[in-house]
Amino acid sequence: NAGVTQTPKFRILKIGQSMTLQCTQDMNHNYMYWYRQDPGMGLKLIYYSVGAGITDKGEVPNGYNVSRSTTEDFPLRLELAAPSQTSVYFCASSYSRGEPQHFGDGTRLSIL
Amino acid sequence: EDKVVQSPLSLVVHEGDTVTLNCSYEVTNFRSLLWYKQEKKAPTFLFMLTSSGIEKKSGRLSSILDKKELFSILNITATQTGDSAVYLCAVAMNYGGSQGNLIFGKGTKLSVKP
Repeated sequence: NAGVTQTPKFRILKIGQSMTLQCTQDMNHNYMYWYRQDPGMGLKLIYYSVGAGITDKGEVPNGYNVSRSTTEDFPLRLELAAPSQTSVYFCASSYSRGEPQHFGDGTRLSIL
Repeated sequence: EDKVVQSPLSLVVHEGDTVTLNCSYEVTNFRSLLWYKQEKKAPTFLFMLTSSGIEKKSGRLSSILDKKELFSILNITATQTGDSAVYLCAVAMNYGGSQGNLIFGKGTKLSVKP
């Protein structure tokens, strides 16, 4: 049971570069989420999706984009990387709104 | 503004000690409160609490919710070095399109010394 899989695990970007963080889940969950976690801070919601084709902004969406073309995949795109986006990014999924979210192992992203 | 506040932010204890971690919240429309344990990587789910006064237990860990006073505690008895982690408290919202979305506290970093 893979659960929630995130790739890559680590990445260094230069300012202005773009990249996509991949997230896939094999639990047939409808709900998927992207969070960022800065040192000493809790997780903050970037974007979420309640099903294929439906996405919505969370608390800190600026500088990011998402898509949800399938139930399994929920990629997060950074178009113009900025140092403020240096963080650890977690993807999560849940079966329904009321159920606990299951997290991937995270992607550690540094922008220099 | 909705917020979740955890205390203490860090804690150092010795093996065998009992610890209590605190989580208070102010949210407009409460659905549930969740506790997660985060070691090196992914937060892993511990408890979800929806009703006041009902204790949830799993081995040496237990948690309870007080919806009147808007807080929860997580107790760990007979601590072990493997309990060293960051413990995250989160509140799930219960309104509109954000229903089910989580607001996290900053976490309590627990270090258990042998």
